[in-house]
Amino acid sequence: EDQVTQSPEALRLQEGESSSLNCSYTVSGLRGLFWYRQDPGKGPEFLFTLYSAGEEKEKERLKATLTKKESFLHITAPKPEDSATYLCAVRTHTGGFKTIFGAGTRLFVKA
Amino acid sequence: GAVVSQHPSWVICKSGTSVKIECRSLDFQATTMFWYRQFPKQSLMLMATSNEGSKATYEQGVEKDKFLINHASLTLSTLTVTSAHPEDSSFYICSGAPFHRDSSTEAFFGQGTRLTVV
Repeated sequence: EDQVTQSPEALRLQEGESSSLNCSYTVSGLRGLFWYRQDPGKGPEFLFTLYSAGEEKEKERLKATLTKKESFLHITAPKPEDSATYLCAVRTHTGGFKTIFGAGTRLFVKA
Repeated sequence: GAVVSQHPSWVICKSGTSVKIECRSLDFQATTMFWYRQFPKQSLMLMATSNEGSKATYEQGVEKDKFLINHASLTLSTLTVTSAHPEDSSFYICSGAPFHRDSSTEAFFGQGTRLTVV
């Protein structure tokens, strides 16, 4: 069964304290892995797409990496405005194309 | 990124009435639209996928007669919750993508609609 698991469920950091969020997946026929940011009461905001193992993408303080089994979202020197829920999703073509979302990691950055 | 506008952002309705939620792609043609439901502190649950001009494909367990989806144009999809009940109260989110479902391109999300049925 296709699955996407994100860890930790919640992460509390001090401003400037770098860390990583994990997204583990077991799917057949990966067609893309996506990272989104979601603020409370809002729709997800697209961050990155990764397609193949070894690929990396960066945007400001965020860097996403991908292996054959997991993806990491590295946050360098986070600021309070980085506080949000970060969602990982994979698109697979098992039994028809489908996008599966993880439960998300709630990030809190304290000043 | 591309912009998807969802309206209304929140709605309160009486039990037994119907509610329509609109999802518009503002700067691209959304060949495919997805409708999700999200419970507090949980992830997005895909309800249905629609391609412009075709009938929507519903996920297992989603009642197609209760959640009516219309994707009549490349920029507009609507979700109508018919005969709403309190258990239908949730956060509904749409997303649009300029591709047919067999693609690896990212989709872009609307702002979401908070539905409360009283």
